[in-house]
Amino acid sequence: DIQMTQSPSSLSASVGDRVTITCRASQGISNFLAWFQQKPGEAPKSLIYAASSLHSGVPSKFSGSGSGTDFTLTISSLQPEDFATYYCQQYNSYPLTFGGGTRVEIK
Amino acid sequence: EVQLVESGGGLVQPGRSLRLSCAASGFTFDDYAMHWVRQAPGRGLEWVSRITYNSAGIGYADSVKGRFTISRDNAKNSLYLQMNSLRAEDTAFYYCAKDLGGNSGVFDIWGRGTMVTVSS
Repeated sequence: DIQMTQSPSSLSASVGDRVTITCRASQGISNFLAWFQQKPGEAPKSLIYAASSLHSGVPSKFSGSGSGTDFTLTISSLQPEDFATYYCQQYNSYPLTFGGGTRVEIK
Repeated sequence: EVQLVESGGGLVQPGRSLRLSCAASGFTFDDYAMHWVRQAPGRGLEWVSRITYNSAGIGYADSVKGRFTISRDNAKNSLYLQMNSLRAEDTAFYYCAKDLGGNSGVFDIWGRGTMVTVSS
């Protein structure tokens, strides 16, 4: 199975900050990488697929990059509604696997 | 509006069975693969199973293989997860998720989830 490792596991940031989250795959996955946002008590929301393609309706403040084993999710200007936990997921091969999550908290 | 609504969760004793359902609306259900993903309380996400649009391709996580069975009824726009021999470690929120297309493994729409608690 492909292991996905996110860093950091949590971070504190202020409104307006630029935030970057890293995801590393245990083996190369080309660009078969997705990102999700989950707020407490809610279902995950799909943000990005193919490492950098935004799902419909996702604001452009979210961006993704990377290929192979190293990927990043960037939020250009953090807003109150962005405080949540973010997960990466590989879909290069089954079983599909997720990173452990990065909790973005208010500083 | 594209929507997925799970049901069937609840409290069940270890070793017993439960069947989850996911009702789909707002899209052509029989065009898309579907998945189940779970999340134990306070934990991360775990992919459980997927089924292709025509049920010809089915896969499971090792943690549930041999105990869980995924199925779908395209005439009823519904996805199911039959869970047998339940264990405490199966306690989780269970989400159904729509595949973006082509059995890609990309989730684009998620349901709100249904909670399964396995406890005596």
